[in-house]
Amino acid sequence: EVQLVESGGGLVQPGGSLRLSCAASGFTFSNYDMSWVRQAPGKGLEWASTITTSGAGTYSADSVKGRFTISRDNSKNTLFLQMNSLRAEDTAVYYCAKDLGQGEWGRGTLVTVSS
Amino acid sequence: DIQMTQSPSSLSASVGDRVTITCRASQGISNYLAWYQQKPGKVPKLLIYVASTLQSGVPSRFSGSGSGTDFTLTISSLQPEDVATYYCQKYNSAPLTFGGGTKVEIK
Repeated sequence: EVQLVESGGGLVQPGGSLRLSCAASGFTFSNYDMSWVRQAPGKGLEWASTITTSGAGTYSADSVKGRFTISRDNSKNTLFLQMNSLRAEDTAVYYCAKDLGQGEWGRGTLVTVSS
Repeated sequence: DIQMTQSPSSLSASVGDRVTITCRASQGISNYLAWYQQKPGKVPKLLIYVASTLQSGVPSRFSGSGSGTDFTLTISSLQPEDVATYYCQKYNSAPLTFGGGTKVEIK
């Protein structure tokens, strides 16, 4: 059974940083592109970032480009999202997703950016 | 960037009604289109991928069609448990844009 478990969310002040993790199990992690999707309170879904199987390719939404960095450790079956220069509008539930468009999602972790 | 436009943004229908939601891409995306269902407070659930393939375990009253720029999600007979917000998403290439969502309610 595929399991994706996000962690690292919490309350952070504007301008601060946070690192999210997603622990994967139940599948061969290194064979799949992985993504982060976010959802602000009461809003729709927003794709944030995707990383290819080896980590050589990364893609990010304009809204997070230059501030967020996606990475992965295939030896530890873990996906990361380093979030810097956080803004109030980054407040959202952040979901980790396997093979976005065809695969499973985690349950999400809440990030709140507020002073 | 390719934009994904869903319509309507909300609808109200009776139990047993046939419900249709449309998703239009501003440029062709072949059949790299997924549909998700999200119930309040829950994680989005993948219903359909590659435009028309039903995810395992999804009831057969759900179906998807389309290719290129125009796509449709159909619920053949609306049930109370189908109350949710539905999203389409393109995944042919980045950015992997979602549609704005369609909120489905029971009349």
